[in-house]
Amino acid sequence: RKEVEQDPGPFNVPEGATVAFNCTYSNSASQSFFWYRQDCRKEPKLLMSVYSSGNEDGRFTAQLNRASQYISLLIRDSKLSDSATYLCVVNWRGSNTGKLIFGQGTTLQVKP
Amino acid sequence: GAVVSQHPSWVICKSGTSVKIECRSLDFQATTMFWYRQFPKQSLMLMATSNEGSKATYEQGVEKDKFLINHASLTLSTLTVTSAHPEDSSFYICSASTGAPGQPQHFGDGTRLSIL
Repeated sequence: RKEVEQDPGPFNVPEGATVAFNCTYSNSASQSFFWYRQDCRKEPKLLMSVYSSGNEDGRFTAQLNRASQYISLLIRDSKLSDSATYLCVVNWRGSNTGKLIFGQGTTLQVKP
Repeated sequence: GAVVSQHPSWVICKSGTSVKIECRSLDFQATTMFWYRQFPKQSLMLMATSNEGSKATYEQGVEKDKFLINHASLTLSTLTVTSAHPEDSSFYICSASTGAPGQPQHFGDGTRLSIL
């Protein structure tokens, strides 16, 4: 089983749609969770950290369920510029060295 | 926000050449830097963890003699791909962290390496 699993997609949605991505992780000791965005042939950029209480940043909402070892990202009112690959990232085994494990990414294509 | 600079962004060279990639944290001190490799349509794979002033920790399957890492200061880490071959062609990305628990990593722009 992969340490971090995501549905690779692609998700093809129209502008204005709401889309949700899911991610599961295998190590229950993982402490920190993030969503990164990666555009084609570019480096990953931090989208948001994910907290147990859930957190929102504009059109983006992230949630964490530790019991199920499940992370989600909800994007509301999708824009064309949201088209990218979204990476679910987990701090490996709660290590203080910050070692991260990446999911394979979920590709989103927002169409006019 | 935190900025990490990576240089060069693109390298094309002949087989057998050694290539050095630099990773700099511009506005914070990075006690730890990470080197990743990403092949097309695959996720980032951690190659090694670089700690300032000490030897790098390599992931399983990564040859330390082929991928030389030096982290001589709190703002600079270098990755040298020695005697590069076509199979080493990939997207190499560094990231830097202050080392504080729970803090995200910030990535450099990446280096696209093509070995002919």
